[in-house]
Amino acid sequence: DAGVTQSPTHLIKTRGQHVTLRCSPISGHKSVSWYQQVLGQGPQFIFQYYEKEERGRGNFPDRFSARQFPNYSSELNVNALLLGDSALYLCASSLSGTDTYNEQFFGPGTRLTVL
Amino acid sequence: GEDVEQSLFLSVREGDSSVINCTYTDSSSTYLYWYKQEPGAGLQLLTYIFSNMDMKQDQRLTVLLNKKDKHLSLRIADTQTGDSAIYFCAEKSGGYQKVTFGTGTKLQVIP
Repeated sequence: DAGVTQSPTHLIKTRGQHVTLRCSPISGHKSVSWYQQVLGQGPQFIFQYYEKEERGRGNFPDRFSARQFPNYSSELNVNALLLGDSALYLCASSLSGTDTYNEQFFGPGTRLTVL
Repeated sequence: GEDVEQSLFLSVREGDSSVINCTYTDSSSTYLYWYKQEPGAGLQLLTYIFSNMDMKQDQRLTVLLNKKDKHLSLRIADTQTGDSAIYFCAEKSGGYQKVTFGTGTKLQVIP
């Protein structure tokens, strides 16, 4: 079975542009979370979507938005890119979005470079 | 608020035990995790512990949780060169899937 897939793997943009990153969860998983990992730091939570609704949001500006589609795939959009948005963007999927334990499986990430 | 801290670097000799430490601040944490990240790769969940447990052992991995001191440790027995990676401590609280990660400990295994 395929794991979590993300596209593209690498992306180079310039300041002020916008970017769309895509994630396909493991088949049967209904929850998708997005994380930003700046070089040398741990991942930081951006969003969680479950059953197409936003269930959690981290401390990120409104330039960051996301959505989840009926097939549970997800897009992360970032507008008005800044140099500081350069990072590895990780997507994680899990069976559900509730408090009961269910493991998050991470994708390989999309490396975004903003010039 | 949530904060997770780890030491940045650990160097051990192959065959020795490694102990990676972590402190967290959120007393309402329900699950605590150890993730492994190899260069150019995503995150791999190594093990987790529920907050009402003190210890969990899984093959070469032993997790110890001191909830009073909010201290978590990961012991890797018989450390191998393939264990060289960055290890992240993480905690989950709340009713959704937000996981707060530490800054990571880079483990270097010397042959």
